[in-house]
Amino acid sequence: EADIYQTPRYLVIGTGKKITLECSQTMGHDKMYWYQQDPGMELHLIHYSYGVNSTEKGDLSSESTVSRIRTEHFPLTLESARPSHTSQYLCASSDHGGTNEKLFFGSGTQLSVL
Amino acid sequence: AQSVTQLGSHVSVSEGALVLLRCNYSSSVPPYLFWYVQYPNQGLQLLLKYTSAATLVKGINGFEAEFKKSETSFHLTKPSAHMSDAAEYFCAVCAGNMLTFGGGTRLMVKP
Repeated sequence: EADIYQTPRYLVIGTGKKITLECSQTMGHDKMYWYQQDPGMELHLIHYSYGVNSTEKGDLSSESTVSRIRTEHFPLTLESARPSHTSQYLCASSDHGGTNEKLFFGSGTQLSVL
Repeated sequence: AQSVTQLGSHVSVSEGALVLLRCNYSSSVPPYLFWYVQYPNQGLQLLLKYTSAATLVKGINGFEAEFKKSETSFHLTKPSAHMSDAAEYFCAVCAGNMLTFGGGTRLMVKP
């Protein structure tokens, strides 16, 4: 059973606030990802990490930042939220790449910035 | 670069009817293709995947998909829909070790 957790599930916040979206997995996976999804649009990769102290930007430019100090934890931070950041954010992890990859996704965080 | 297009953001079928969810892709390298399902209030889970072996791939819950290179398609089918199949379905392409997802199709099953 996949054990990857995202909190909060929903977040409504005012413009200019600093927020951190939490993502944790208990499977010992090295690879973790953050995806962003707008309604009816493709999921886009915004950050990924292949291990502790490794973080990279994904295909879609994002003003958010991430950190990977521990294998199980991959939080995403927005220093100053704006309405354009309103979206769903999905965290995922996997232990293999390529054809053997099986991604495990969290339930997502729906962020609304007023 | 790769992309995935799922035709129809919402599909509605009657219980017992054929399910057909469409997926077309583009990729500069031979792709690996996936269908993911997201049930309400749950994370995405893998339904099936194509990895260049048999072109007809069977997955969980009676779903299958056929890879057609000439049509760049990977449509998902199920002969007879169940109420429990109501969910969001995502097609995805993996190339260069990164996944690209389509926009998703919401399947609704009417009694």
